[in-house]
Amino acid sequence: NAGVMQNPRHLVRRRGQEARLKCSPMKGHSHVYWYRQLPEEGLKFMVYLQKENIIDESGMPKERFSAEFPKEGPSILRIQQVVRGDSAAYFCASSPDGGAANQPQHFGDGTRLSIL
Amino acid sequence: AQSVAQPEDQVNVAEGNPLTVKCTYSVSGNPYLFWYVQYPNRGLQFLLKYITGDNLVKGSYGFEAEFNKSQTSFHLKKPSALVSDSALYFCAVRAIAGTYKYIFGTGTRLKVLA
Repeated sequence: NAGVMQNPRHLVRRRGQEARLKCSPMKGHSHVYWYRQLPEEGLKFMVYLQKENIIDESGMPKERFSAEFPKEGPSILRIQQVVRGDSAAYFCASSPDGGAANQPQHFGDGTRLSIL
Repeated sequence: AQSVAQPEDQVNVAEGNPLTVKCTYSVSGNPYLFWYVQYPNRGLQFLLKYITGDNLVKGSYGFEAEFNKSQTSFHLKKPSALVSDSALYFCAVRAIAGTYKYIFGTGTRLKVLA
């Protein structure tokens, strides 16, 4: 079984451009979480989505950031008008239907975003 | 508010010696606790979890963790360290109700010296 797939693995953007990060959850998983990891820091929760719904976006910056998880296709994290401070590793995790709290989330290998 | 603390940025241990990576938590109610490992340029890999029951939890690659409610700790242990255990280790607590997002500690870098 394929795990959580994230692409691209590395993304370079210039300030002011848009960054689109994709995440395909594990087969059968309909719950997706996005986390951001700054260098030498832990992961910070950004947003939690189920198919076609944003459940919790309490960790998302109010401006420039958006996320979606359509009925068909991968989840997308979009960052508009990127700035140097957006440089980080962005990780996606998924869990199966129900998202039970006692079950571990499964993580992708992340997208390393670098802003020039 | 829930929180997790990993008081050591780095732990060094000689190969073959026992290792301990510390984690303390603060939650209201019963915690769901997890340990993950991260290798360079990779995502997090699940090691073990505590939900309920026996305070000593066994996980992958010979790791185990001891849940101590009175000390609000969940330290990761291994009886005999391997050089290949060198990595970044994260402790996490998960909300029992709500959206089930993880609250992560800041991570502890483990270096096992040959």
